[in-house]
Parts: sequence; structure tokens; C-alpha cells
Amino acid sequence: SYVLTQPPSVSVAPGKTARITCGGNNIGTKSVHWYQQKPGQAPVLVIYYDTDRPSGIPERFSGSNSGNTATLTISGVEAGDEADYYCQVWDSSSDHLYVFGTGTKVTVL
Amino acid sequence: VQLQESGPGLVKPSQTLSLTCTVSGGSINSSAYYWTWIRQPAGKGPEWIGRIYTSGSSNYNPSLKSRVTISVDTSKNQFSLKLSSVTAADTAVYYCARGGLSLFYFDFWGPGTLVTVSS
Repeated sequence: SYVLTQPPSVSVAPGKTARITCGGNNIGTKSVHWYQQKPGQAPVLVIYYDTDRPSGIPERFSGSNSGNTATLTISGVEAGDEADYYCQVWDSSSDHLYVFGTGTKVTVL
Repeated sequence: VQLQESGPGLVKPSQTLSLTCTVSGGSINSSAYYWTWIRQPAGKGPEWIGRIYTSGSSNYNPSLKSRVTISVDTSKNQFSLKLSSVTAADTAVYYCARGGLSLFYFDFWGPGTLVTVSS
């Protein structure tokens, strides 16, 4: 099945920019979705179809996808952005259909 | 739309895990959505278990397919998960979620319920 690889952790100072990568074979040919998960809570969709933001998600969250890497960017990081972030794709080439990344813990210093 | 999981929090090894998801604020009969179960072991990423359409058509994760059944009860606006022959490896937080027929992501999730497999 398709594999999505994320760095285990990213640390960033408040007000700076955090970039979270999601690696996969030719992931640029797929649509990537991103979720934020705070402790004890369900994941929340923050980016869909590579770059789109659901209503209520701040403009500080943006996404890109090309080649073998998709990236979630959080600009002007705030303390409330500290969470786990997961990428997800739909893999039509296999029966697994929905594949999640390994997850990245974002720590705000 | 709101989703809420319910069911036993403790299941014995070799038994069957059964959970129900109640959907409110929208009809499970909508032709636009799939209704999905996802689980997440402690400290790990989410794992897709399977999905069901209002017609009853379903798809399952191949790694769990032999043990999983997802069903839908449109009269109660609910869908359910059964996972048989459970082991400690099935201990996880189980989520129900809504996915789009042609959207391929999950826009609404239940809060999740912890199921522990232990004797």
C-alpha cells in the first residue's frame, strides 16, 4: 500500500513559520489533505485538496504539493497551534483507499 | 452535522468489538457521503477501517477485511462497526467520520471512544 512519511517532530518559536512535510512516491499526482489533532481530541481538517482551507481555519494555514513532497505551512505560529498534524491521501490504486501519514508533533517553543 | 460513537469500552480477547455511530444534524441517507470508521492506537497515526454508503455498499481495509463488518440503519440514522476475534493489538480510540462520495477526505468526526481489549 501507499506510504506517507512525515518527520516525527518540528519545533518553532511563536510568530515564526512552521513547515511540515509529507513524503510519498509521486505524491504531487495525488490530492493531499491535512488534519490537526490536539491531545484527547478528534482530528480536525485544516487543509483539503492540497491548498484549500475549510471555513473557520485561519489563513495562517496553507498547503502545497509537488513531486514527492507535500507541505503544510503554518505562518505566524501561535501557542494554540501546538498539536499533531497528519497528512492523508486517497489511494485509488489499492484497496487501502485512505492512507494517513505517520504524523508530526509541532512544538511551540 | 454531529457524530457520536457508543459501545463497550472493554472487550475480552477473541470476542467481537461492536460500536455504533449516531449521526445528528443531517441525514445518513444523503447520496453525497460515505460513513467511515477510523481507529488510532495510542501514540500512532489514524488507520482507516472501512466505509459504508447509504445503499449498504461497503469497502474495508484489506488488513482487517476478514474480521470487519460495517452496517447502516437509515431508520435510526446510525451506522455500526463489528470487529471479530479481537486481540490487544485492536486496542485503540475508534472514530466514526463522514467522507465525501467524491471528496476523499473526512470533514466531520465523532469525538472518539477508547476500546481496550483485555481479559
